[in-house]
Amino acid sequence: KQEVTQIPAALSVPEGENLVLNCSFTDSAIYNLQWFRQDPGKGLTSLLLIQSSQREQTSGRLNASLDKSSGRSTLYIAASQPGDSATYLCAVPKTSYDKVIFGPGTSLSVIP
Amino acid sequence: GAVVSQHPSRVICKSGTSVKIECRSLDFQATTMFWYRQFPKQSLMLMATSNEGSKATYEQGVEKDKFLINHASLTLSTLTVTSAHPEDSSFYICSASLTSAGGEQFFGPGTRLTVL
Repeated sequence: KQEVTQIPAALSVPEGENLVLNCSFTDSAIYNLQWFRQDPGKGLTSLLLIQSSQREQTSGRLNASLDKSSGRSTLYIAASQPGDSATYLCAVPKTSYDKVIFGPGTSLSVIP
Repeated sequence: GAVVSQHPSRVICKSGTSVKIECRSLDFQATTMFWYRQFPKQSLMLMATSNEGSKATYEQGVEKDKFLINHASLTLSTLTVTSAHPEDSSFYICSASLTSAGGEQFFGPGTRLTVL
C-alpha cells in the first residue's frame, strides 16, 4: 500500500529565502509525481508534474526533483515571496489512470 | 490545459437532506474521475473512483449507499450525499486524469459542504 509523507509539516521563513520541501513515498512503482499548491479554503493548483522517467522539472522559481529508487522528491522554491504562503502537497498515482495518493502537506508561511 | 469544473462551489443544507455535486471535464473526455474529501487541516482522502458506464469503486470505510456516484457520460460525474449529517461537512474535490498529458491529474475547484 502506497504511503506518502511530507517533511516538514510546517515551515515559516523570511521573504527572500530559498527553501526545500520534502516528499517521500513507500512504493517506487509510480507513474509520475505531482506537486500541488492549496490556498486556505480553495482547491488545488498543479505546480509541477514529473514523469517516472524524469529526474526534475522546473517552472519559474520552482524546481522539483524525483529519485524514484529512493522514494523521494523535493520541491525547491527560490527567493520565496509572501504570495508563496500556502499548503504544498505532493501526490503519486500508480498508473496513468490510477487514484492519486496525497501526502499530508507542508504548510508554508513566508514572512514579509 | 485541461479544465475540470465543479458545481456548486458552496452549499449549506439542513441535516437529513441530500446534496448533489457535479464534476465536469470541460475540454476532454474522462473515462475515470476521482472523488476526494478533505476535512479541516487534513490532506485529501480518496473516497471513490468513478468509472463511466459502470459502478464506482469505493475506498474502505466509505459508505456507498450514502455517497452515491453516477458517471453517466465521459464528461460528467456526480456525487450525491444522501441524508447528510453535520459530520459530512467537508470539502469535496473531484479530479480527472488525462492520459495524453502523461497521466496528469486535473482537479476541480472543490465544493464546500456545510450541514447544519
